[in-house]
Parts: sequence; C-alpha cells; structure tokens
Amino acid sequence: NAGVTQTPKFQVLKTGQSMTLQCAQDMNHNSMYWYRQDPGMGLRLIYYSASEGTTDKGEVPNGYNVSRLNKREFSLRLESAAPSQTSVYFCASRNADYNEQFFGPGTRLTVL
Amino acid sequence: EDKVVQSPLSLVVHEGDTVTLNCSYEVTNFRSLLWYKQEKKAPTFLFMLTSSGIEKKSGRLSSILDKKELFSILNITATQTGDSAVYLCAVLNAGGTSYGKLTFGQGTILTVHP
Repeated sequence: NAGVTQTPKFQVLKTGQSMTLQCAQDMNHNSMYWYRQDPGMGLRLIYYSASEGTTDKGEVPNGYNVSRLNKREFSLRLESAAPSQTSVYFCASRNADYNEQFFGPGTRLTVL
Repeated sequence: EDKVVQSPLSLVVHEGDTVTLNCSYEVTNFRSLLWYKQEKKAPTFLFMLTSSGIEKKSGRLSSILDKKELFSILNITATQTGDSAVYLCAVLNAGGTSYGKLTFGQGTILTVHP
C-alpha cells in the first residue's frame, strides 16, 4: 500500500502563478484533508472533505480551492499564488470508523 | 470555532527527565483527541483518546483525557534524545456542519539533550 501520496514534493512559483497540488490515498478512506504548516503555527486546516462529494472550509481557506475528484483523490488549487502561501502543505486521510488520520509526505511550496 | 491550545510551546530537558505536555480544547461536538509526533517529516500517530480517565500507554509514553475539564496530557518518562520532536494534539469534531473536522494545536517543541 502506498498510503497517502502527494505531488509534487517541491515547487517554486512566482507571485500570481497558479498550480494544483495533488493528493491520493489507496486506503478507501472517507475523509480527506489539506493542511498548511508554518513555523510555530502547528498544522492549520485549509479545507476538508468529510466524504466523497462534500467539501468544507477549515481555518484558513482564503486563496485556495479544492476538488474531491473521487473517493481517492483530493486536490488543492492556488489560483494566484502569493508569498504568504509559502509553506509546507500536508494532505491527510481518515477512515470514519477508526479516526486515526494518515498523512502524506508533504509538499514544500515557495512563492517568490 | 474549534480551538486547541498546547503548552508549553517549547521545552528543553536532559536525557532521563520526565516531561508532561498539555493540550486544552474547545470543540462543539467532541469525538476524539489525537496525539502525533513530528520529526522533520509528516506527523506520525501516537494515541487516540475518546473516553475520560482511561490512560493509553505505549512504552515510555502515556496519555490521558479529561472530558469534563477539556484537556489531555502526554507524559514521556526517561526521555531520550530520540524523543526530540514536535508533539501535536488534535481534536475531532463529530457533529453537524463540522462533522469530520480535525483541528490541531500549535505544537510543543521538545528538545532532549544528552
């Protein structure tokens, strides 16, 4: 099992550029999440999808959009990147029955 | 809005010391509280707590939840340099429009010196 996979691992963007971070899980989990992590800030929830077909805002959704493409895939899009979006982005998934959340390896994004 | 506060924010100890990390929370519909350890990569799962007063243990690590006072503690005894990491606490919301929402605290940075 690959678990939770994220692509790309690293990305450098210029201000105003757009990009999509991809996330996929092969554990048949219902819920998927996108977090960003900045120094001293822990993990802040951007968006989550409690089940296929639903998405909800987290604490810091501004500047981002998401798509739950199917049960396996949950993508995060930056339409017009800003330096404030420089961060490490983690995708995670959770099985509603067991509650433990599994994380992907992360994407380090730098916006110049 | 769900809220998780961890303390202290950082802690420096020597090998062999015992540490206690704190996590307090406010959540509209509490389902469970989770502890994670993060060492320069993605967080790894430690414990999940759903019931008050029941201690979870794994080797030198243990955790307990107080649902009345809305907090949890993570204890690490006989610390080792390999325990140096960021410890994260999270709460799962089980109800209404926030169903499935998992909110993290800001983390406690633990440094263990030889």
